[in-house]
Amino acid sequence: DAKTTQPPSMDCAEGRAANLPCNHSTISGNEYVYWYRQIHSQGPQYIIHGLKNNETNEMASLIITEDRKSSTLILPHATLRDTAVYYCIVKTGANNLFFGTGTRLTVIP
Amino acid sequence: DAGITQSPRHKVTETGTPVTLRCHQTENHRYMYWYRQDPGHGLRLIHYSYGVKDTDKGEVSDGYSVSRSKTEDFLLTLESATSSQTSVYFCAIRRTDNTEAFFGQGTRLTVV
Repeated sequence: DAKTTQPPSMDCAEGRAANLPCNHSTISGNEYVYWYRQIHSQGPQYIIHGLKNNETNEMASLIITEDRKSSTLILPHATLRDTAVYYCIVKTGANNLFFGTGTRLTVIP
Repeated sequence: DAGITQSPRHKVTETGTPVTLRCHQTENHRYMYWYRQDPGHGLRLIHYSYGVKDTDKGEVSDGYSVSRSKTEDFLLTLESATSSQTSVYFCAIRRTDNTEAFFGQGTRLTVV
């Protein structure tokens, strides 16, 4: 399975856009990029996923580079409730979502 | 919630005793997973299931067994609990292999 690299931590001012980067240089053509977040000790929450094209939903936008070796999750207007650990995951097939250690995002008032 | 329930939510048990954790779903999803989460390790896959009676090992399966006799239930068993199995356990479900996964709220297991 392709692995991902994320910065261990980031800060973002409340109301500003939070841009979380992820490198997945070994991704193969049929692997999706998924983003999840985990708030405190709750179960991980799905945010968004994509294959090639940029994606947007009510929570966030996902920008995938043309070569698919990296992506950025954008939270357009970060709130204090967005403080969490964010995981970027690349996988194929059914057997696993490989969670690394993610990025701890802290939204500052 | 995505119709996924874990039980118990908290458990303290003694070393050497058997423990079974239950994951129950009401979504009729095909895929089910058990993860454990420890500080500094993120989530690691223990076992997963791709259908009734169809299961396979994950990356940290030693000391664990699973069973899935019905679509809605996925059981994780520690045959003889050890202190190294103290952890938070999460169950997840997926409708297909390229859709999002939904996670339960977790079971905090302490082995003393």
